[in-house]
Amino acid sequence: AQKVTQAQTEISVVEKEDVTLDCVYETRDTTYYLFWYKQPPSGELVFLIRRNSFDEQNEISGRYSWNFQKSTSSFNFTITASQVVDSAVYFCALSEAGETSGSRLTFGEGTQLTVNP
Amino acid sequence: KAGVTQTPRYLIKTRGQQVTLSCSPISGHRSVSWYQQTPGQGLQFLFEYFSETQRNKGNFPGRFSGRQFSNSRSEMNVSTLELGDSALYLCASSLKVGGVVYEQFFGPGTRLTVL
Repeated sequence: AQKVTQAQTEISVVEKEDVTLDCVYETRDTTYYLFWYKQPPSGELVFLIRRNSFDEQNEISGRYSWNFQKSTSSFNFTITASQVVDSAVYFCALSEAGETSGSRLTFGEGTQLTVNP
Repeated sequence: KAGVTQTPRYLIKTRGQQVTLSCSPISGHRSVSWYQQTPGQGLQFLFEYFSETQRNKGNFPGRFSGRQFSNSRSEMNVSTLELGDSALYLCASSLKVGGVVYEQFFGPGTRLTVL
């Protein structure tokens, strides 16, 4: 069975601080996909990144960066120089590969990030 | 390109009633998935439809059902509503090609309140 754990329930930082959101996953599959989504107060889930299990290269996109480590089953997300607009709930999610199971996302509990001015 | 749309956005029902929620996916996306979000259980997968067929189902009772039409639009139905069905219901669409898992794009959700 798949499982995603986001141990940080809430994080509060001051604007311009860097913040890292942790994500640990469990799966027995060798091929799987990992995702991060953002849910602002409006409620709509916004896709941020998708990573497959064969690509451990870390990625940077503007102020966002992701650190994928299969050895520790972690897929952490860092926001550099945080801004008030980054305040939201962030979800890490996992999906198995395959035509029948591929669209089933297993989400973590979410981390509420509050960036104070 | 228009995003995923869901109607209605808000719904208030009473116990025992039934409800139908609608979702229109992004043009070209043939896979539609539904999720339930509650404060206690978080985000949980309900089911996925592709080419008008249910391909995957989460651990929900049979009161939760869905269907997909030939234009990929999808509906989900909840019969005999219970108080615990109060939740945000999210629809997501994605490309689906072979065994590759693409990102899902979510709609704004339908907020269902059961009184």
